[in-house]
Amino acid sequence: KAGVTQTPRYLIKTRGQQVTLSCSPISGHRSVSWYQQTPGQGLQFLFEYFSETQRNKGNFPGRFSGRQFSNSRSEMNVSTLELGDSALYLCASSLDSRWEQYFGPGTRLTVT
Amino acid sequence: KNQVEQSPQSLIILEGKNCTLQCNYTVSPFSNLRWYKQDTGRGPVSLTIMTFSENTKSNGRYTATLDADTKQSSLHITASQLSDSASYICVVRANNLFFGTGTRLTVIP
Repeated sequence: KAGVTQTPRYLIKTRGQQVTLSCSPISGHRSVSWYQQTPGQGLQFLFEYFSETQRNKGNFPGRFSGRQFSNSRSEMNVSTLELGDSALYLCASSLDSRWEQYFGPGTRLTVT
Repeated sequence: KNQVEQSPQSLIILEGKNCTLQCNYTVSPFSNLRWYKQDTGRGPVSLTIMTFSENTKSNGRYTATLDADTKQSSLHITASQLSDSASYICVVRANNLFFGTGTRLTVIP
């Protein structure tokens, strides 16, 4: 069974640009959650999608948005990038939010 | 306030030695607690999951304990190997997930 895949793995952007990250969950998983991980803050929850609907949202500004498609694949978008957005962005999938989450390898975003 | 605190922040041990990582939480209502291992540049991988009624669970050389009364958990690693070098993250589920900031373990030869 293929694991969670994220693309791209690495990305370099400049301040003010926007970026879209993609996540393909494990087949059959309908819940996809996104996290930001920085050395100082650890893992921070961005949002969770289930069956194309945002079910939970963390405490991030509106520049961070996401969506989920009918095949459960998910994208997150960050607009007007800031230097502080440099981080590892992790996607996790599960059957439902109360089941075990399986993490992807992450996308390393660097904003210069 | 729901919080998960881990200690120590970092730890260096010699190969073959044992070590114990700590996780204290103030999350409620408690549902379960997981320990994850995260290798550098990779996503976290679940090691153990513990519910309210479980106080010990093992996964190979990893043994997790849970004291729901004091809201403390520990992860004990036996006979450490170089491949154990990673960050270990404690995650507590209530209505949402609450993450600790992790313990960075380095095993040296």
